[in-house]
Amino acid sequence: DSGVTQTPKHLITATGQRVTLRCSPRSGDLSVYWYQQSLDQGLQFLIQYYNGEERAKGNILERFSAQQFPDLHSELNLSSLELGDSALYFCASSVATGSGGRTDTQYFGPGTRLTVL
Amino acid sequence: GENVEQHPSTLSVQEGDSAVIKCTYSDSASNYFPWYKQELGKGPQLIIDIRSNVGEKKDQRIAVTLNKTAKHFSLHITETQPEDSAVYFCAAVKAAGNKLTFGGGTRVLVKP
Repeated sequence: DSGVTQTPKHLITATGQRVTLRCSPRSGDLSVYWYQQSLDQGLQFLIQYYNGEERAKGNILERFSAQQFPDLHSELNLSSLELGDSALYFCASSVATGSGGRTDTQYFGPGTRLTVL
Repeated sequence: GENVEQHPSTLSVQEGDSAVIKCTYSDSASNYFPWYKQELGKGPQLIIDIRSNVGEKKDQRIAVTLNKTAKHFSLHITETQPEDSAVYFCAAVKAAGNKLTFGGGTRVLVKP
């Protein structure tokens, strides 16, 4: 158990809908990352938050957004869902930002499997 | 941006044999290289990592080597056991950042 929790475990919805995925980082970790894992794209970085602020952005669609709250949990919002958004969404956390030349280990949660019908 | 290639995509070994997975990266600014193991229905779990100031690191049956000049790194698993069966991912991270760029994964099957 990594200490990172994600809810829900499974989510089934229809095209055009909006969903929210939730992540709680390990105790003491300030950074949260979101990754998407699909069969054709593999594991891809979406976005990073550190202590409530966005720090890095990857291949995240405009239909997707995220935020990190004062208690450090994070939510990933996916809207206008398409069939191609079906994937596993992982949250990871680390102690800090990775800046200053030292990269922090990222610990992954169990993921949310999103199925768009 | 960074690109990480991983080979092979599948690997079948007999229990007790060794398994080797190789990755190459494109950005010479990358300086941190973790390896993750993903079992069915679970999230990636860090098994070992190496930083660019080190050439080799070992942890029991698992070892990782890094060749900065050639921009490649490898995972070695010795005395494989059935519980080593999983998908393994290599990743690279650029200095002063935390974005993981993953390889495509290697599905390892250890046959008893």
